[in-house]
Amino acid sequence: AQSVAQPEDQVNVAEGNPLTVKCTYSVSGNPYLFWYVQYPNRGLQFLLKYITGDNLVKGSYGFEAEFNKSQTSFHLKKPSALVSDSALYFCAVRADLMDTGRRALTFGSGTRLQVQP
Amino acid sequence: GAGVSQSPSNKVTEKGKDVELRCDPISGHTALYWYRQSLGQGLEFLIYFQGNSAPDKSGLPSDRFSAERTGGSVSTLTIQRTQQEDSAVYLCASSVLAGTTGELFFGEGSRLTVL
Repeated sequence: AQSVAQPEDQVNVAEGNPLTVKCTYSVSGNPYLFWYVQYPNRGLQFLLKYITGDNLVKGSYGFEAEFNKSQTSFHLKKPSALVSDSALYFCAVRADLMDTGRRALTFGSGTRLQVQP
Repeated sequence: GAGVSQSPSNKVTEKGKDVELRCDPISGHTALYWYRQSLGQGLEFLIYFQGNSAPDKSGLPSDRFSAERTGGSVSTLTIQRTQQEDSAVYLCASSVLAGTTGELFFGEGSRLTVL
C-alpha cells in the first residue's frame, strides 16, 4: 500500500520569509512524488514532480521540493513567500511502473498555507 | 475542450435519491480518475480508467457508487440512494496515460450536498 503524511494542517509564514510544507511518504519501490496546489473553489493545479535524478526539483511559481530517500520525505519549499501563495497544498505519491501498487496517485490530507502581509 | 470539464458544478439532493456526475476529460487523455474531497479532509481515490483496460475500482466506498466511461472519453459517476456522508466535492482528473510520469489535470469539481 502507498500512503502520504502531511503532518501540519496549517502553516503560517510572513510575506518575504522562506516557507516549508512537509511531506513524508510510504511506497514499495521507487516513488513518483508530486505537489499540487488548490486555490479557493478551484481544482488542483500541478506544481512539480520528482521522478528520478536530481533530488532538488524546481516547479511553478518559484516553488521547489527536495527528495530525501533516507527520510522518505519530499518537503515543498520557497525562498520568499508571497501573500498570493496562500492556498491548500497536497503532496501525492505513486509507485513506479516496475512495482505493484495503485497506478492512481495517493494524496495526503493537505496543508493550508497562510502567508501574512 | 481545453481542460477537464465537470458538471454539474453544484448539486443539492435529498437523502435516498440517485445522482449522476459527469466528467469530460482533456481530448487525447486515455486515463481518467475520480477522487472525493470531503470538508477538512484530503483527496480520497475512488476509481480510475485506463483505455480499454478494466477500471481500478478499489477506492469505491460502497456498492452504491459506480462509474462508467463511454467511448474512452466522457465518464459518469453514479451514486445511488445518497446518504448525508456522501456530501463532498467530487473531482475528476485526466492524464495522457496512467502509470506514467505525467501529471494529472483536474476539473473544478462537482459539489454534492445531500440533505
